[in-house]
Amino acid sequence: NAGVTQTPKFRVLKTGQSMTLLCAQDMNHEYMYWYRQDPGMGLRLIHYSVGEGTTAKGEVPDGYNVSRLKKQNFLLGLESAAPSQTSVYFCASSDSSEGDTQYFGPGTRLTVL
Amino acid sequence: GQNIDQPTEMTATEGAIVQINCTYQTSGFNGLFWYQQHAGEAPTFLSYNVLDGLEEKGRFSSFLSRSKGYSYLLLKELQMKDSASYLCASSTNAGKSTFGDGTTLTVKP
Repeated sequence: NAGVTQTPKFRVLKTGQSMTLLCAQDMNHEYMYWYRQDPGMGLRLIHYSVGEGTTAKGEVPDGYNVSRLKKQNFLLGLESAAPSQTSVYFCASSDSSEGDTQYFGPGTRLTVL
Repeated sequence: GQNIDQPTEMTATEGAIVQINCTYQTSGFNGLFWYQQHAGEAPTFLSYNVLDGLEEKGRFSSFLSRSKGYSYLLLKELQMKDSASYLCASSTNAGKSTFGDGTTLTVKP
């Protein structure tokens, strides 16, 4: 099992550019999440999904969109990147059968110039 | 609403015991997670408490008091590799978790 994987690992964007971050999990988990983590801070939930075809807003959803067309994939989109979106993005997945323990991907380090 | 508080930094000596506290105010509270995060890496699961009391897992133990909205992580026989950030997170019935800002633990020789 690869667990949770994220693509890409690093990216540099210019203000106004768009991009999509891909998260994939092979554990058949129902729930998937996108977080951002800024220096010295904890994880802040951007969007999450409780199942294929469903998404919901988290704590800091503005400027981001998501899609969960397949159970194993959760995509995070930035339509018009801003410097304030410079951060490390973590994807995670969980399942109620495991007490909702979250398994995290390795992270994507995004810099917006 | 959700609110998680934990100390920002702690320092301890190799071989010692350290306790990291966490208080929470969470609507629809289900349980309390502790995760470990080494610098530049992803968080990894340490423990999950649903019921009141202490759960021991090797050198690490976690305690929960639901009535007080309080948890702690106890690390015994500290090793240099335990230097990391420790994240407290409260989970709700909706499957979501709210994370604290983390406690950076530095273990010194």
